[in-house]
Amino acid sequence: GAVVSQHPSRVICKSGTSVKIECRSLDFQATTMFWYRQFPKQSLMLMATSNEGSKATYEQGVEKDKFLINHASLTLSTLTVTSAHPEDSSFYICSADVGTGPRKLFFGSGTQLSVL
Amino acid sequence: GQNIDQPTEMTATEGAIVQINCTYQTSGFNGLFWYQQHAGEAPTFLSYNVLDGLEEKGRFSSFLSRSKGYSYLLLKELQMKDSASYLCAVLDSNYQLIWGAGTKLIIKP
Repeated sequence: GAVVSQHPSRVICKSGTSVKIECRSLDFQATTMFWYRQFPKQSLMLMATSNEGSKATYEQGVEKDKFLINHASLTLSTLTVTSAHPEDSSFYICSADVGTGPRKLFFGSGTQLSVL
Repeated sequence: GQNIDQPTEMTATEGAIVQINCTYQTSGFNGLFWYQQHAGEAPTFLSYNVLDGLEEKGRFSSFLSRSKGYSYLLLKELQMKDSASYLCAVLDSNYQLIWGAGTKLIIKP
């Protein structure tokens, strides 16, 4: 199956700093990537849809200035949590749409963000 | 509104069979997914159904009835490593993926 690499897997940062999370499709081109966050014991919450070469589409309630998404190439999307606060601590997961045949999403391994 | 329902938690015995149900009400339908998620890890793809019927893949099978808005995931010969959350998700008419809250499956020896 398709491989999506997400880095870093775990990050601890101080309040007020910015954190960048990378999501790469390793063996296919992903025109669309998705960013989710997940709180403990809860399901995935879609934050934004990232399309290569255009602005991301954010879900209602997600601050676009807080969560900056860049999808500059067909294999890389980045999520930057700006001026992180403890309430931003969460599990962030990216996924990429293979885009051919039956629609399938393949997920990165996730990033556990802890803001002190 | 869009809604996906699945049980919050289920318990089964090692070696047995368990069926996890999912019912949905969405604006349009372009397929239903089942994902497995272990605690602290990202979901992994299990199955995708877009036509009615049963799809079998090893110990796991997935069934879909579009007229009833219903799917189930069937796990056979349960192993301890199958203890995880199982997420049902539907692709709606806008190709938005609508997620269920997940079913936590506990396997007992």
